[in-house]
Amino acid sequence: QSVLTQPPSVSGALGQRVTISCTGSASNIGAGYDLNWYQQLPGAAPKLLFFGFNNRASGVPARFSASKSGASASLAITGLQTEDEADYYCQSHDRRRGVVFGGGTKVTVL
Amino acid sequence: EVQLLESGGGLVQPGGTLRLSCAALGLDFSKYAMGWVRQAPGKGLEWVSHVSASGGRSYYTDSVKGRFSISSDASNNILFLQMSSLRAEDTATYYCVKDRRQSGSECVFDLWGQGTLVTVS
Repeated sequence: QSVLTQPPSVSGALGQRVTISCTGSASNIGAGYDLNWYQQLPGAAPKLLFFGFNNRASGVPARFSASKSGASASLAITGLQTEDEADYYCQSHDRRRGVVFGGGTKVTVL
Repeated sequence: EVQLLESGGGLVQPGGTLRLSCAALGLDFSKYAMGWVRQAPGKGLEWVSHVSASGGRSYYTDSVKGRFSISSDASNNILFLQMSSLRAEDTATYYCVKDRRQSGSECVFDLWGQGTLVTVS
């Protein structure tokens, strides 16, 4: 069981908005540690999307946004595109376990 | 172009050893912390280890402590992961990763290699 909790899957129609949550605790996000997001396209290595909660990495389209609320974080995709079908992972630091990832969320475009 | 090239994966028996290498091309190795993240077949990402830019501090996930050792050859820009006492649950694709930072326990992995598959069977 992952220290950071993500929904296993989310789906949306082309052009719609989807959000992915990442819920932590007082030993990671709630303790003030940064939260990062990664995208893994099918058959490819992961790629950094956001770091420090909402700092967009180089080349990431503006339809992606990220935010934080307490011990949780969210990734939103506005105007969903077919090329956004991928697995998305959140990642932070945990006082007890070191670097931790969420379990991942598969985004499907209907 | 900056890239990370892993090698050394393969099939190994339980209890065996393997050494992974990661060549960092177009990158000043001495400026960044580097590490390894693995992904078991069909599963999520799991941080394995990382080392500070100076090589002075290294960190490991609990399940590999005492079995895996991370090191680097800064003069040749190569990162290593020495794996011993391998178990079936170590089977995964191992990604070499670059951190945005030089040191510290927090990480932001802004560059990933394509991965090398380790199968323990």
